[in-house]
Amino acid sequence: QLQLQESGPRLVKTSETLSLTCTVSGHSISSAYYWAWIRQAPGKGLEWVGSIYQTGYTYYNPSLESRVTMSIDTSRNQFSLKMISVTAADTAVYYCVRDSRVSGYYDLDYWGQGTMVTVSS
Amino acid sequence: NFMLTQPHSVSESPDKTITISCTGSGGSIADNHVQWYQQRPGSAPTTVIYEDKRRPSGVPDRFSGSIDTSSNSASLTISGLKTEDEAVYYCQSYVRGIVIFGGGTKLTVL
Repeated sequence: QLQLQESGPRLVKTSETLSLTCTVSGHSISSAYYWAWIRQAPGKGLEWVGSIYQTGYTYYNPSLESRVTMSIDTSRNQFSLKMISVTAADTAVYYCVRDSRVSGYYDLDYWGQGTMVTVSS
Repeated sequence: NFMLTQPHSVSESPDKTITISCTGSGGSIADNHVQWYQQRPGSAPTTVIYEDKRRPSGVPDRFSGSIDTSSNSASLTISGLKTEDEAVYYCQSYVRGIVIFGGGTKLTVL
């Protein structure tokens, strides 16, 4: 059974760097899927941050691209998110998600439980 | 830029049928598949429709999806409404590699 688990600091200071890791279990991250980060500010809708493939190829949300870097570690079956220069607007629940776009169908079909990250001075 | 617009909220009584719209702008909605996700409070979203009209296993056939090219919109229809269907529903599409979400529609079953 595929599971995704987010981990990382729950509190980040304004202007510093947010770092999250997603550990995938029950499925190889080297398979033909993208892996995504999606966030949701309190009381707001879903916002896609970016998606990464096993090769390291990435797609980023154009509105966040200047501050975001995703990476993937196939040996640990993990992928990660770094977001620099955070502000209170980056406070959100961050979900890691399997993105099936190159797997013969289109779906965001497995989600982690989400981790709440608060940005505060 | 391509955008997906949903009504903020809808409501209907149990056992009735509701349709939630998702209107595309800045491009043709038919050019890219549309997915629908259900999000209950405190939980991660789950897929109820993918690729416009396909249902994942375990999703009841009360849920159906369609595309209307004349109105450039996608629709999620839920028949035989149950109180457990009360949730926020998001449409989503891929546009040149970018993932786009609609703003979400809160469904109240009263």
